[in-house]
Amino acid sequence: DTGVSQDPRHKITKRGQNVTFRCDPISEHNRLYWYRQTLGQGPEFLTYFQNEAQLEKSRLLSDRFSAERPKGSFSTLEIQRTEQGDSAMYLCASSPTHHEQYFGPGTRLTVT
Amino acid sequence: AQSVAQPEDQVNVAEGNPLTVKCTYSVSGNPYLFWYVQYPNRGLQFLLKYITGDNLVKGSYGFEAEFNKSQTSFHLKKPSALVSDSALYFCAVSSISGGYNKLIFGAGTRLAVHP
Repeated sequence: DTGVSQDPRHKITKRGQNVTFRCDPISEHNRLYWYRQTLGQGPEFLTYFQNEAQLEKSRLLSDRFSAERPKGSFSTLEIQRTEQGDSAMYLCASSPTHHEQYFGPGTRLTVT
Repeated sequence: AQSVAQPEDQVNVAEGNPLTVKCTYSVSGNPYLFWYVQYPNRGLQFLLKYITGDNLVKGSYGFEAEFNKSQTSFHLKKPSALVSDSALYFCAVSSISGGYNKLIFGAGTRLAVHP
């Protein structure tokens, strides 16, 4: 399967713990996006990378959130000191151009 | 500010009948419009896009969408619905800014196709 992959698929954590998610984009795609989707809502943009450069961060991305894309390949999204409001599906997408984006299966985070 | 409205939370249709899922948008400049479908516990799957050109665009699985600039709409259509089309459908809009497109999604419309 050469699509976008995300790991883990599910994560249950206690409030206050740190979590890290990984996204592996389609190999030739230099654009990578992170979105967050809560129940009953459409995905909301979090951040964008072109190669290894993080070019935009949403105001939704508080100081507890950090994302990296070392060497312009895979990306990680870390949430520090998780809160119950962080519970959501975190989606990664990649794109070769500024047109359609291809999404991974998502990481479902539950903060208890 | 860019926005997308999907006025129907749910659309019910009988198998074999035509279906329409509505979407209206607001964006400054020329819009790039997309439809995605989401099946349970899975990511979003690209269906079709409008960038420029013909107002009627065809996509995957027999779906099509019509871009209407005067009504700022981009409704998703299919001539004959299948039970397997039952899923959550999202309309999205973007405009190119800085050489990339940040997608703004609607809240989604659940399509239920009944046998």
